[in-house]
Formats: sequence, C-alpha cells, structure tokens
Amino acid sequence: NAGVTQTPKFRVLKTGQSMTLLCAQDMNHEYMYWYRQDPGMGLRLIHYSVGEGTTAKGEVPDGYNVSRLKKQNFLLGLESAAPSQTSVYFCASSWVGLGETQYFGPGTRLLVL
Amino acid sequence: AQSVTQLGSHVSVSEGALVLLRCNYSSSVPPYLFWYVQYPNQGLQLLLKYTTGATLVKGINGFEAEFKKSETSFHLTKPSAHMSDAAEYFCAVFNLGKLVFGQGTRLTINP
Repeated sequence: NAGVTQTPKFRVLKTGQSMTLLCAQDMNHEYMYWYRQDPGMGLRLIHYSVGEGTTAKGEVPDGYNVSRLKKQNFLLGLESAAPSQTSVYFCASSWVGLGETQYFGPGTRLLVL
Repeated sequence: AQSVTQLGSHVSVSEGALVLLRCNYSSSVPPYLFWYVQYPNQGLQLLLKYTTGATLVKGINGFEAEFKKSETSFHLTKPSAHMSDAAEYFCAVFNLGKLVFGQGTRLTINP
C-alpha cells in the first residue's frame, strides 16, 4: 500500500497563477484533510471532507477550494496564488473523524513569488 | 477556545540522555491527546495517543506520555535518546470536534 501520496512535491508559482494539488489515499478512508504548515505555527486545517462529494471549511480556508469527486482523491486548488500562501501543504486521511489517527502524505512545498 | 502549548521550540539532548518534550493544553473537558513525529522531508506519523483509560500511554520507538488532568499536561518522554530520534514533534488536542496542533518542538541529538 502506498498510503497517502501527494503531487507535486515542489512547485514555484508567480502571484496570480493557479494550481491544483492532488492527494490520493489507498486505505479506503472516509475522511480526508488539507493542512498547511508554517514555521512556528504547527499545522492548520484548511479544508476537509467527510466523504465522497462532501467538503467543509477548516481553520484557514480563504483563498483555497477543494473537491472530492472520488473517495480516494482530495484536490486542493489555489485560484490566484499569493505570497502568503507560500507554505508546506500536507494531506491526511483517517477512518472516522479528526479524533482518530491521521495518516499523512509527504507534503508539497509551494513557493509563491 | 482550546489551545496547545509546547514549551521550547528547540530541545537538544545528548545521545543516551533522557528526552522530555512538554505539552500543555487548555480544554473545558477531557480531550483526546496525540503526539506526532515528523522526520526531515516527511509527513507526520503518529507516535502515541490518549483517548480514555490508562493515563500512561506507550508509543512507538520507546516513547511514552502521561496524561495529567490536574496539570493539563501530556509530556512526551523517552529514557534514552538515539540519534534516529532527531525530528520535529507535535502535540495535538482533539476536543469538541476540533483538532489543534501545537507549534512543534525540534529535537536535536548530540553525539
């Protein structure tokens, strides 16, 4: 099993450009999450999904959109990237909800110039 | 609102020495508590968690943590540090439908 995978691993964007980060999991988990990690701030939840076709806002959703068209995939979109979105993005999944063990992907490092 | 405080953004210990990483939380009701570890250029992985029952929780790689309700703490310990323990460690608290991560503690092991 690959667990949780993320594509791409690293990306450089110019301000105003758009991109989509892809997360895939092969554990048949219902819940999936997108976090951003910034120095000294731990992980902050951007959006999450409780099942195929459903999404919900997390702590820092502004500037991001998500979609979960298939159970195994969770996409994070940036419509118009800003320097403040420079961060490391982690996808995670779990069987049930936030109170259960989460399985993390390796991360995507995004630099917005 | 609940919060998590990890005392010390950087901790350095010698190989073979005791590892102690501190985590305090604020919560109105007993929470679920987690410690995750992040090795360089990798995602987070669970070290251990407390939900209910025994307050001393044992995890992987020789780590353990004790839930102390009266002190609102969940400190992580390991009796003898190994070079492979060098990583960043995150405490997290789940309560009332929300999961909050601490800011992380980077552990350095000196030979």
